[in-house]
Amino acid sequence: SQKIEQNSEALNIQEGKTATLTCNYTNYSPAYLQWYRQDPGRGPVFLLLIRENEKEKRKERLKVTFDTTLKQSLFHITASQPADSATYLCALDSGNDMRFGAGTRLTVKP
Amino acid sequence: DAGVIQSPRHEVTEMGQEVTLRCKPISGHNSLFWYRQTMMRGLELLIYFNNNVPIDDSGMPEDRFSAKMPNASFSTLKIQPSEPRDSAVYFCASTLGLGTGELFFGEGSRLTVL
Repeated sequence: SQKIEQNSEALNIQEGKTATLTCNYTNYSPAYLQWYRQDPGRGPVFLLLIRENEKEKRKERLKVTFDTTLKQSLFHITASQPADSATYLCALDSGNDMRFGAGTRLTVKP
Repeated sequence: DAGVIQSPRHEVTEMGQEVTLRCKPISGHNSLFWYRQTMMRGLELLIYFNNNVPIDDSGMPEDRFSAKMPNASFSTLKIQPSEPRDSAVYFCASTLGLGTGELFFGEGSRLTVL
């Protein structure tokens, strides 16, 4: 069956460090992979999209990699700030439906 | 642009009652998704529509759940009869079209069934 796994439920890091979140999937051939941010009591908000033929995408302090051989995406936040504390969700887009991982709750400590 | 609008934001009801959740997608968006979020199961896809037509409802947990999209600007998710295990946050999201990328989520409807 299709599975989307995010590396851990929670990740705590110190301000200024790089946060790295992992998304692994099985039995899936996504056309795109997306990352979303969710704050408590709010809906998820889109951050980045990477296509299956792209290896890496950057946006300001965010970087996403996509390895279709390993079936894995890495999401990096460089120079992390306390305001980056949130839950981050990866999503696989087949070109029709979009399914999400359970999310990783990131806490950046000052 | 007002974004995706969901109502009610919070609903508390008793087991056995009918619950109707509502969603207004962003104008011009042709695809609409309903998700359910719980601590245990994360964000689950329930059903999605394209041009008001249901495409895949395999995520709908039981016959007690039904969803409609009578026109491009309105969708409902109905639970009848409701049960305590239906307690969750229900999200609606819309996008320009299937496979076009970014989903825009509403703020969710938090349902508590006593």
